[in-house]
Amino acid sequence: NAGVTQTPKFQVLKTGQSMTLQCAQDMNHEYMSWYRQDPGMGLRLIHYSVGAGITDQGEVPNGYNVSRSTTEDFPLRLLSAAPSQTSVYFCASSLIGGGGQETQYFGPGTRLLVL
Amino acid sequence: GEDVEQSLFLSVREGDSSVINCTYTDSSSTYLYWYKQEPGAGLQLLTYIFSNMDMKQDQRLTVLLNKKDKHLSLRIADTQTGDSAIYFCAESNLGGSYIPTFGRGTSLIVHP
Repeated sequence: NAGVTQTPKFQVLKTGQSMTLQCAQDMNHEYMSWYRQDPGMGLRLIHYSVGAGITDQGEVPNGYNVSRSTTEDFPLRLLSAAPSQTSVYFCASSLIGGGGQETQYFGPGTRLLVL
Repeated sequence: GEDVEQSLFLSVREGDSSVINCTYTDSSSTYLYWYKQEPGAGLQLLTYIFSNMDMKQDQRLTVLLNKKDKHLSLRIADTQTGDSAIYFCAESNLGGSYIPTFGRGTSLIVHP
């Protein structure tokens, strides 16, 4: 298994540009989520999905869109990039069941700089 | 307000024990986690504890849970330089979204 993969690893955008951060997992996990990590702020949840076709907002959803057309993929779209979206973005997935504990597996992150 | 709180920094000498503390506010928390993040990497689950447990030990790691005070700690015995990382406390509950809520992370610095 490749686990959770994210592309690209690094990206530089200009203010106002749009882009999609890709996330894929091959573990057949129902739950997938996107976090952003900023210095001193820990991880903040942007959007999450509990299964294909189902998404919901997290703590900081503004400026981001998601969709979940397949179990494997959960792309994050920046509609019009702003400098405040400069951050490191992590995708995670988890499986509910197997005794009840859910272990989140994290991707390696995408480092985004918005100029 | 913040749901999960941690101190931001901890510095210890190699070979000593490290204790990283965390408090949380959600009394319905079901699972409490400790994650480790090494520089430039994603988060890796270290250990978790179910809310009906008081303690869990896994090699050099000991997790203590005081449910009454909503306090969680991670003790690392014989701390090594390779333990230098950011440690995140997180909680989730069965009645919520299952998606853990994370603290801000504690940077552990281990010096010789």
